Amino acid sequence: VLTQSPATLSLSPGERATLSCRASQSVTGFLAWYQQKPGQSPRLLIYDASNRATGIPARFSGSGSGTDFTLTISHLEPEDFAVYYCQKRSRNWPPSITFGQGTRLEIK
Amino acid sequence: EVQLLESGGGLVQPGGSLRLSCGASGFTFSTYAMTWVRQAPGKGLEWVSSIGSSGGSTYYADSVRGRFTISRDNSKDTLYLQMNSLRAEDTAVYYCAKDSLQGLDWGQGTLVTVSS
Repeated sequence: VLTQSPATLSLSPGERATLSCRASQSVTGFLAWYQQKPGQSPRLLIYDASNRATGIPARFSGSGSGTDFTLTISHLEPEDFAVYYCQKRSRNWPPSITFGQGTRLEIK
Repeated sequence: EVQLLESGGGLVQPGGSLRLSCGASGFTFSTYAMTWVRQAPGKGLEWVSSIGSSGGSTYYADSVRGRFTISRDNSKDTLYLQMNSLRAEDTAVYYCAKDSLQGLDWGQGTLVTVSS
């Protein structure tokens, strides 16, 4: 199980956002982060805990290992307000894919 | 550029069946595992099913095992999800995704509504 906190985060543009994802057991595979805006598909931001996906701005960073992971957005832009999901996957088959319940990042 | 295009969604009565398709382009389809993920209205993401690159191994969430069947046709670069015995709680947007250790690449989704 992946537990994300907080459920909702209210911040202003220019502030720093810190989103948490905690696993019930140590993640031995990899962990990814996705952004989803209303009416859109999720978009990959971070894979393998700390690697930015192609085209993702440097203000997005991921960190963590074991059971505790963090997505940080260093300086919020208006387009960053969205829902964020973490996802874990095992490195082997079956993939054992699990998602967190999401964190809604809203404008304060 | 990875492109995934789902189709086949729609309105179906409880107990009915539907087959979703996902056409892939922009990558070598036959070398990647593929996954279906769904999202009920106003809810979070739920993994549904995955299939290995050759199609020889499949994996299902408990909520759909025995009712849904994932398959693929590597000659047509197409992924499928056969959904039988549909229930109201299966109502969701269904996304197909290219699955790798670099994360999931997503299609735009297709809406399935189960209602009488």
